[in-house]
Amino acid sequence: GAGVSQSPSNKVTEKGKDVELRCDPISGHTALYWYRQSLGQGLEFLIYFQGNSAPDKSGLPSDRFSAERTGGSVSTLTIQRTQQEDSAVYLCASSSRRFSTDTQYFGPGTRLTVL
Amino acid sequence: AQKVTQAQTEISVVEKEDVTLDCVYETRDTTYYLFWYKQPPSGELVFLIRRNSFDEQNEISGRYSWNFQKSTSSFNFTITASQVVDSAVYFCALSVPNAGNNRKLIWGLGTSLAVNP
Repeated sequence: GAGVSQSPSNKVTEKGKDVELRCDPISGHTALYWYRQSLGQGLEFLIYFQGNSAPDKSGLPSDRFSAERTGGSVSTLTIQRTQQEDSAVYLCASSSRRFSTDTQYFGPGTRLTVL
Repeated sequence: AQKVTQAQTEISVVEKEDVTLDCVYETRDTTYYLFWYKQPPSGELVFLIRRNSFDEQNEISGRYSWNFQKSTSSFNFTITASQVVDSAVYFCALSVPNAGNNRKLIWGLGTSLAVNP
């Protein structure tokens, strides 16, 4: 079946502009995660959605970052007033069980470059 | 503290050598899960294995094998007869309980493996 998809694959933007990154999880997966990976670094957790529960936003680095998940499926990560330090690969993952013990499957990521 | 340590930042081997990637974890929980992921140069994270804390059996899958030892809090990954296609960054991760009956993954910083012809 189809895996996690993300769009766009690459995004170049100017400092101060807003960007939206999209994630389409594996069909039927109730949990969805956003991570950020800076060049040569590990994964930084941003936000987690589980079904209809309130999202875990504990990893969002500032109030310029927000995310929503519509209809329990597609998610959009929005970064307002982008800064150069926002440049990174943004990864989305989904998993299938309520308690997230199951494996997270990752999308190909969106490479964001802020000029 | 809950933590995953991958002490090896970079490893370089010659094709056909065996290589072991170390992963040491810390957790206060009795129920947890351990994972290994591979991130090739293309960038996409690929799931390799999941192991739960109650199952200490080692696992072998082709040229890959995993050694889980609770006594030393380690979950090491060995590639036998390495190939150039094994070149990637490998991440170890630990799943632990989080608020609201959820769980979260704690990631190591990764080990970059270069297999040279």
